Amino acid sequence: AQSVTQPDIHITVSEGASLELRCNYSYGATPYLFWYVQSPGQGLQLLLKYFSGDTLVQGIKGFEAEFKRSQSSFNLRKPSVHWSDAAEYFCAVGAILTGGGNKLTFGTGTQLKVEL
Amino acid sequence: EAQVTQNPRYLITVTGKKLTVTCSQNMNHEYMSWYRQDPGLGLRQIYYSMNVEVTDKGDVPEGYKVSRKEKRNFPLILESPSPNQTSLYFCASRTALNYGYTFGSGTRLTVV
Repeated sequence: AQSVTQPDIHITVSEGASLELRCNYSYGATPYLFWYVQSPGQGLQLLLKYFSGDTLVQGIKGFEAEFKRSQSSFNLRKPSVHWSDAAEYFCAVGAILTGGGNKLTFGTGTQLKVEL
Repeated sequence: EAQVTQNPRYLITVTGKKLTVTCSQNMNHEYMSWYRQDPGLGLRQIYYSMNVEVTDKGDVPEGYKVSRKEKRNFPLILESPSPNQTSLYFCASRTALNYGYTFGSGTRLTVV
């Protein structure tokens, strides 16, 4: 069964500083990987996704993530954080189930606080 | 606007009183899914549906029912809610080819 680990529950960065949120996954085949962001009181918004090809993926709002198969990681990065980036971030791995269904397994999330 | 719409946004109910949370999508998506979000546990899948009349259990299906009679709708039914079902619920949908789900805004359910 697939699983996702986000080792950092909370992270605080200063506005303008760089950001890296860690994500490690466990899955037997080539994974489909996602990062979602959840602002307070809101649903989840897809930031970026990796299916195949280039291992550096660009997303919305200036975010990028790099798939590293050897490390089973899919870390999210942003070179300069804005105060509006304060939110909770979820990494997820997608798996195809026997019978054709699919399952998106989420990590427990990383809460990002941005200091002005 | 392409979206997933859940209703209600907030609901407080009593133990044992049947309730339904509605979910509707206007994107003609084949796949729909229900998740619950709890602090420290992330999002866990309750049920999913691959198409009309095709549903299957996720990781935490106990105490829930779903139906998919129409492509656009995927209601979540709690026949006899209990306090441990107090949670934030999300409905999501996607196409058969795109594995990135579009999420609704959530339903915060409190069972007292």
